[in-house]
Amino acid sequence: EAQVTQNPRYLITVTGKKLTVTCSQNMNHEYMSWYRQDPGLGLRQIYYSMNVEATDKGDVPEGYKVSRKEKRNFPLILESPSPNQTSLYFCASSPQGRVQETQYFGPGTRLLVL
Amino acid sequence: EDKVVQSPLSLVVHEGDTVTLNCSYEVTNFRSLLWYKQEKKAPTFLFMLTSSGIEKKSGRLSSILDKKELFSILNITATQTGDSAIYLCAPQYLSYKYIFGTGTRLKVLA
Repeated sequence: EAQVTQNPRYLITVTGKKLTVTCSQNMNHEYMSWYRQDPGLGLRQIYYSMNVEATDKGDVPEGYKVSRKEKRNFPLILESPSPNQTSLYFCASSPQGRVQETQYFGPGTRLLVL
Repeated sequence: EDKVVQSPLSLVVHEGDTVTLNCSYEVTNFRSLLWYKQEKKAPTFLFMLTSSGIEKKSGRLSSILDKKELFSILNITATQTGDSAIYLCAPQYLSYKYIFGTGTRLKVLA
């Protein structure tokens, strides 16, 4: 089944403790992206990747890192989480180079930083 | 500054009603506009619009884009309780950047 998976789905952590949220897709998509969703602010793009070893900042990259060492995986790293990073995070992927294609979203990761 | 505004913010209707959701945008190097439906989980794709004036339809849902006036509408006819959700629009701009609106929350009462 074609899908985007994220782990963990729920995470409670404390300020300053490094964490990684994994994202994996099995559709051989070149493009992957991370979003956070907050009430009243909608979905905001954190980082995106056009292909392996090609990443770029979205609208709210501060406090986050990403890497794209393989096509299928695009982990989101919070080196020193803070309470303002409490949010619902979505990973998405799509084939690059075809404007008619849409993004496929993962199920979301709900993060609480105490 | 790139921005997207959706209206109304929230809408409550009865089953069978028709609703129109609005999305206006200002983005650099517009490429397409996507509509998503979000229930209590990840957004699911509804439509992608790239050309003005061409209506896209899927069952009771339809959508159209006006690239001159920079807006799109999403129509839902004969609404059902299963249509209750947040509807998001997202222009794609520059290369592969997306900006999402805050959404319209639709509640359909039985």
